[in-house]
Formats: sequence, C-alpha cells, structure tokens
Amino acid sequence: DAGVIQSPRHEVTEMGQEVTLRCKPISGHDYLFWYRQTMMRGLELLIYFNNNVPIDDSGMPEDRFSAKMPNASFSTLKIQPSEPRDSAVYFCASSFRSGSSYNEQFFGPGTRLTVL
Amino acid sequence: DAKTTQPPSMDCAEGRAANLPCNHSTISGNEYVYWYRQIHSQGPQYIIHGLKNNETNEMASLIITEDRKSSTLILPHATLRDTAVYYCIVRTPRGAQKLVFGQGTRLTINP
Repeated sequence: DAGVIQSPRHEVTEMGQEVTLRCKPISGHDYLFWYRQTMMRGLELLIYFNNNVPIDDSGMPEDRFSAKMPNASFSTLKIQPSEPRDSAVYFCASSFRSGSSYNEQFFGPGTRLTVL
Repeated sequence: DAKTTQPPSMDCAEGRAANLPCNHSTISGNEYVYWYRQIHSQGPQYIIHGLKNNETNEMASLIITEDRKSSTLILPHATLRDTAVYYCIVRTPRGAQKLVFGQGTRLTINP
C-alpha cells in the first residue's frame, strides 16, 4: 500500500486566492482526519470524517475553511479566501475501526502551504 | 482525555537506550497511553500504545507504572534516525477518534 497520499506537497499562493488540498486515504480505512501544524500552535485537528461523513469540525478555524469527502478514497480541504496566517503544514491521516477498538492513525507527508 | 506532561527536550548518545518519560496523573481507568513521533518534515508516526501492562514491539518498549500515572518510552538502541519529536497521548481507544497532540519531547540522538 502506498500509504496516505497528499497533493500538492508544496503550495505557494497569494492572499485572497483559493487553495485546495487533496488527500487519498489508505484503502479500507473508514476514518479520515485533517490536521494543521504551525510553530505557534503545534499540531491541531481541524476535522475528521467517518464513512465520508463529517463527525467533528470543531477545529476548523473559520468559515473560510471547508472540507469534503465525496467518496471513500478522496477528500479535499479548501481555503477561500486564503490569508497569510493560514501558512502551515496540513496533514491528512486515516485509520480504521476493528470491532470495538480504534486503531492508530497513519499520516500522509503533508502539504506545506505558504500564503504571501 | 487526560492531559500529559513531557520534558521539552532530551539528548541521547547513539547506540544507547533512550528513555522518554511522560506524566499523566489524571489518567482514568479506561484510557490508554499512545506514543507517536514526528521526524523532521514528515507526518507523525505511530509507535506503540498500552493500558497497564508493559508493551514491546519492533520499534520500542512502553513501561507504565503500577498506578498508571506515568510511563516511559524506551528506544533500546537509539540511532541517528530516531531524532524526532515524541508525543505521549492519553485517550480511550473506543472514544472520540481525535488525537490531541501536546508539545512533545524533542529527542536528539548524538553520534
């Protein structure tokens, strides 16, 4: 398995532009997570899905951020309009549930976003 | 989920055992201790987890005190590639899926 795949790996954009980050989870995983990492705030969860349905989006900073999961193999995180303070590394992770227990999360390589 | 406390940084010589402590004094009976690490510029990586018994896998060992208020992650023969930030997280495997990452311990392995 190729692991969690994220694209692009690097994105540089100007303030006000729309940014779309993409994620392909590991096949068979039914949970998908979006995290953001900055020096100031560390690694924080933005939103997660179970079976393509958003379960907890309490970490989404504001209405400029939106996430979708149209099918089990694809998710997007969109920022519109982007601002310099959105500059961060965005990680996608996936995991699966076996029986009554949840398993470890597998993280992608991340997308480094720079908003000028 | 219970809060954890870790030293901000540690050093260890290559080839020696690296022992990373974690305090979780408010842990409840059904909460597990999880360890992840993040090597520079990579996504976090799962290492090991346990409830109350000591655990060992191909990466590390986890020693949990009898009162479960603290634990130690042991990398038996540290290599330069083990240089990373190590996160100790307490959560229930049946609870909410979210992982709450603290600041972790920045472990530097020195040649």
